[in-house]
Amino acid sequence: GAGVSQTPSNKVTEKGKYVELRCDPISGHTALYWYRQSLGQGPEFLIYFQGTGAADDSGLPNDRFFAVRPEGSVSTLKIQRTERGDSAVYLCASSDLGLAGDTQYFGPGTRLTVL
Amino acid sequence: AQSVAQPEDQVNVAEGNPLTVKCTYSVSGNPYLFWYVQYPNRGLQFLLKYITGDNLVKGSYGFEAEFNKSQTSFHLKKPSALVSDSALYFCAVRAANAGKSTFGDGTTLTVKP
Repeated sequence: GAGVSQTPSNKVTEKGKYVELRCDPISGHTALYWYRQSLGQGPEFLIYFQGTGAADDSGLPNDRFFAVRPEGSVSTLKIQRTERGDSAVYLCASSDLGLAGDTQYFGPGTRLTVL
Repeated sequence: AQSVAQPEDQVNVAEGNPLTVKCTYSVSGNPYLFWYVQYPNRGLQFLLKYITGDNLVKGSYGFEAEFNKSQTSFHLKKPSALVSDSALYFCAVRAANAGKSTFGDGTTLTVKP
């Protein structure tokens, strides 16, 4: 079956611009997660949705970052007033029920470059 | 707070030899532990997980991992390495009441022919 997909695969933007990154989870998965991976580091948690609501947004670095999942399926990560330090690979994952023991399945990521 | 340490940035082994990639963790309560592999320009692929039960868990591609509660470790192992196993490996931990995973910084495994 289809896995997690993310668009775009690459995004280059200028400092100060607004960007949106999209994630399509595995069909039927209740939980959706966003992570950020910088070069040479492991993925860093940003936010987790259970259905339409954000169950844990403790990883969002500041109020320039926001994410939505209005219908409980597709999610969009929004970054306002981008900064060069936002450059990273943004990973999305989904899991069946969002339980601690559930496997999180990852998409290929969106590589964001802020010039 | 939960954390993961992968003490080796790089592991080199010869093809056919056994391999071990180390992982130690810190978490409140019972841990849920995962191993993922990442190939260049690809997303993370799930290898195996420990939830409860037998301390030795078996996963994809002949990999296995041993959960050791007293040493708070979850080392990844394979009896006979293949060149195609060369990749970046991540260990992750999750607390029982948490949705988020905390990842280590990864270990690059290189298997030489």
